Amino acid sequence: GENVEQHPSTLSVQEGDSAVIKCTYSDSASNYFPWYKQELGKGPQLIIDIRSNVGEKKDQRIAVTLNKTAKHFSLHITETQPEDSAVYFCAAFLDGGSQGNLIFGKGTKLSVKP
Amino acid sequence: ETGVTQTPRHLVMGMTNKKSLKCEQHLGHNAMYWYKQSAKKPLELMFVYSLEERVENNSVPSRFSPECPNSSHLFLHLHTLQPEDSALYLCASSLWTGRDQPQHFGDGTRLSIL
Repeated sequence: GENVEQHPSTLSVQEGDSAVIKCTYSDSASNYFPWYKQELGKGPQLIIDIRSNVGEKKDQRIAVTLNKTAKHFSLHITETQPEDSAVYFCAAFLDGGSQGNLIFGKGTKLSVKP
Repeated sequence: ETGVTQTPRHLVMGMTNKKSLKCEQHLGHNAMYWYKQSAKKPLELMFVYSLEERVENNSVPSRFSPECPNSSHLFLHLHTLQPEDSALYLCASSLWTGRDQPQHFGDGTRLSIL
């Protein structure tokens, strides 16, 4: 069925290093790809999103790239800090007709070691 | 402060109890959602409301009953739940339903079924 695959499931980096999380999707009609950060005890927070008419978007230390041909998109965090430690989710709209269903990956637990 | 407030934050109930989860959004959005988040599983969409009308019901058991009295409030009524219903229940809202609408989440209600 329609799904979003996310890798890796866990990622540990040293403070100051970069972190990359990758997702693939199955619906070629998808046109919107958000990324969420979920800290312990909180709900997912939208941190960046990208639409299919662009290949890359940056917001300070965070960037997202999209390859529509290959149907994959990635989150890049540079100069990581301990407060970046959280679970990150990618998502894409898949199928669902006019309403669309936002389908999430299983998440990546990022640990940034000081 | 995400603009989406969920109460209660924690709920413990027996299988024969009846309780309700509440969600309120202060973002002026017209669409609201209920999601279920279980350990090691992707977020699962349960219900979608657009302008107080239910537009999506993803094969959710009838022991979960949603209610949307207006575009700012969403409830999830619970009765005769099973232990496997223990999870984090997240409410989200977006300006409209649709394939490119960012969804904003509350911090969830942690539900434990005894």
